Amino acid sequence: SQQGEEDPQALSIQEGENATMNCSYKTSINNLQWYRQNSGRGLVHLILIRSNEREKHSGRLRVTLDTSKKSSSLLITASRAADTASYFCATKNAGNNRKLIWGLGTSLAVNP
Amino acid sequence: EAGVAQSPRYKIIEKRQSVAFWCNPISGHATLYWYQQILGQGPKLLIQFQNNGVVDDSQLPKDRFSAERLKGVDSTLKIQPAKLEDSAVYLCASSLYQGMESPLHFGNGTRLTVT
Repeated sequence: SQQGEEDPQALSIQEGENATMNCSYKTSINNLQWYRQNSGRGLVHLILIRSNEREKHSGRLRVTLDTSKKSSSLLITASRAADTASYFCATKNAGNNRKLIWGLGTSLAVNP
Repeated sequence: EAGVAQSPRYKIIEKRQSVAFWCNPISGHATLYWYQQILGQGPKLLIQFQNNGVVDDSQLPKDRFSAERLKGVDSTLKIQPAKLEDSAVYLCASSLYQGMESPLHFGNGTRLTVT
């Protein structure tokens, strides 16, 4: 079953602008992961943030996690045409059921 | 390191026919996953193996889908007979271990079209 819900479903920006995508989830989590999927390809792991972390950086990526609101955001700074892809959040639940639960994704288009 | 290999890349079959997909995970990765991804949606887990044992197949339509992972390395996913609603991309992924923080590495998938 899908737990994460990404927002917006689609986003179109100009090269050089920042892109922000949000993910909401429903249950307690151990960690939240973001993946990128280029058209016709598999998913690529971008970043993992643990439930006790609030912010994490990796290159031009910044991820925040607010467990009180059960939400996360992915910020891509200074976007490039090559960032055009779908972005998915996936949550690893706490407790015995440790499935990775996937959202529906945000489709990002970065226009040159 | 070599990535997750999948074949074929594309497959077109008629409904009620059979089809098989193959996956070779990253060397040394104990956990292997098969996902179904319908256009515009996130991946849906079909089956998860830990070495050659099944960890989770709760969402696998067992009346038509089967999967095996012989010797804990390569895996095949079979659909017999196929239905129109099976049209999707079938993604194989592997991870080093089953733990909480082991990221998944995906292959490029097999796009199945059932006509």
